[in-house]
Amino acid sequence: GAVVSQHPSRVICKSGTSVKIECRSLDFQATTMFWYRQFPKQSLMLMATSNEGSKATYEQGVEKDKFLINHASLTLSTLTVTSAHPEDSSFYICSARYGFHLGEAFFGQGTRLTVV
Amino acid sequence: AQTVTQSQPEMSVQEAETVTLSCTYDTSESDYYLFWYKQPPSRQMILVIRQEAYKQQNATENRFSVNFQKAAKSFSLKISDSQLGDAAMYFCAYINNAGNMLTFGGGTRLMVKP
Repeated sequence: GAVVSQHPSRVICKSGTSVKIECRSLDFQATTMFWYRQFPKQSLMLMATSNEGSKATYEQGVEKDKFLINHASLTLSTLTVTSAHPEDSSFYICSARYGFHLGEAFFGQGTRLTVV
Repeated sequence: AQTVTQSQPEMSVQEAETVTLSCTYDTSESDYYLFWYKQPPSRQMILVIRQEAYKQQNATENRFSVNFQKAAKSFSLKISDSQLGDAAMYFCAYINNAGNMLTFGGGTRLMVKP
C-alpha cells in the first residue's frame, strides 16, 4: 500500500509556543488529506480536511486560528498548533488519499504532542 | 451528516474461534465506501478490509470478512480463527464518494484469550 510519513512522532513543547507537524505522502500524490485528534481510548475525531492548493475545511468546534493547516503541495500537509496549551496535548494523526482509488485513506504513524 | 456507530466498546474471543464486530452507519448517499481499520498498541492505523457500497458481494480478506447490509446500513466484521495478534482496537469507517469526508465509529477493543 501507499506510504504516509508523519513527523515528528513525539514532541514536547512549552505552553505558549507553536509546534508544526508534517504529513507527507511518499509514493503518491495526495489529493485530500485529513487531520485527526485522538484522545486516550477514544476514536479518531476529524479536525479538518484539506485539498492541495485550497483552504482547509474545519469541523465544527475546531479553532481555525489555533490549528493551522497548510496543504501546499500534493505530497505535503502541515498542522501547526499555535500558542499551545496543556489541553492541546493529544495524539494527532494524518491520513491521505489520492483520487478515488478504492476510497482508501492511508495513515501516518501519528504524533504524540505533550504541552508542558 | 454521516455518523458511524459501533455498539460494542469491548469484545473478547478465544484464540482460534470466531468473533463478529458490529457497525451501523447513517447516510443519505447511495455511493460510498466502508472500511474496517485495526489500531494496535503502536497506534498505526492498518486497513483490514474495504467494501464498495455499489457491490452486493461481501468483501473477504483471508480470515476477515464482512456482512454488508446496505438497506439496513449495517457493516459487521467477522474474524475467523482468531489469533493473538488480532488483539487491537477496531474502527469502522465511512467515506463518501466525493472523498472529502472520512468518518470513524467509536471503536471496539478486541481481546483475544489464549
